[in-house]
Amino acid sequence: DVKVTQSSRYLVKRTGEKVFLECVQDMDHENMFWYRQDPGLGLRLIYFSYDVKMKEKGDIPEGYSVSREKKERFSLILESASTNQTSMYLCASSSSEETQYFGPGTRLLVL
Amino acid sequence: DAKTTQPNSMESNEEEPVHLPCNHSTISGTDYIHWYRQLPSQGPEYVIHGLTSNVNNRMASLAIAEDRKSSTLILHRATLRDAAVYYCILHNNDMRFGAGTRLTVKP
Repeated sequence: DVKVTQSSRYLVKRTGEKVFLECVQDMDHENMFWYRQDPGLGLRLIYFSYDVKMKEKGDIPEGYSVSREKKERFSLILESASTNQTSMYLCASSSSEETQYFGPGTRLLVL
Repeated sequence: DAKTTQPNSMESNEEEPVHLPCNHSTISGTDYIHWYRQLPSQGPEYVIHGLTSNVNNRMASLAIAEDRKSSTLILHRATLRDAAVYYCILHNNDMRFGAGTRLTVKP
């Protein structure tokens, strides 16, 4: 079975802190994605990556950056956390067959 | 980008069939129709996908209209564990999730 893991289920940070959200997949997938999920808005795509050291902006990249140094790991970085970045963050991976496999999510609270 | 339209919520009784509709009138010829669902406190999980023909798997069936402008996810016998948010997505190069349909299953 495909496994996508995220470094934390719950995270509390203060405004202005730098935040790292880590995602690891164990199925050698080329593609990895970061979404955030807010009530009434569904999942919104932040960034995605089709290969190591490659990244593409999604619909809402502002305030975020990403890093893909190794194929299995895709990191989401909040350079200076703000309260409007309080959300559920979901990581996903997929192969060329397109089906996405999601991690359990990280619920981030920025105070 | 091609978009989908789904009802915000639906209700079903346990052990009855459920038909979840999705409209995608701007679908292009190369867009696959994917369905995912998200159980409470979990990430979304894949349910089924298709291009033109109807599809069946152990979880559900997918009925695709002949003009491909709409599709229906069919759960043949709803159980309490099927209560979730169901997302209909058009997939070409990437995926865009909408708000989905929240399915409530009543015992």
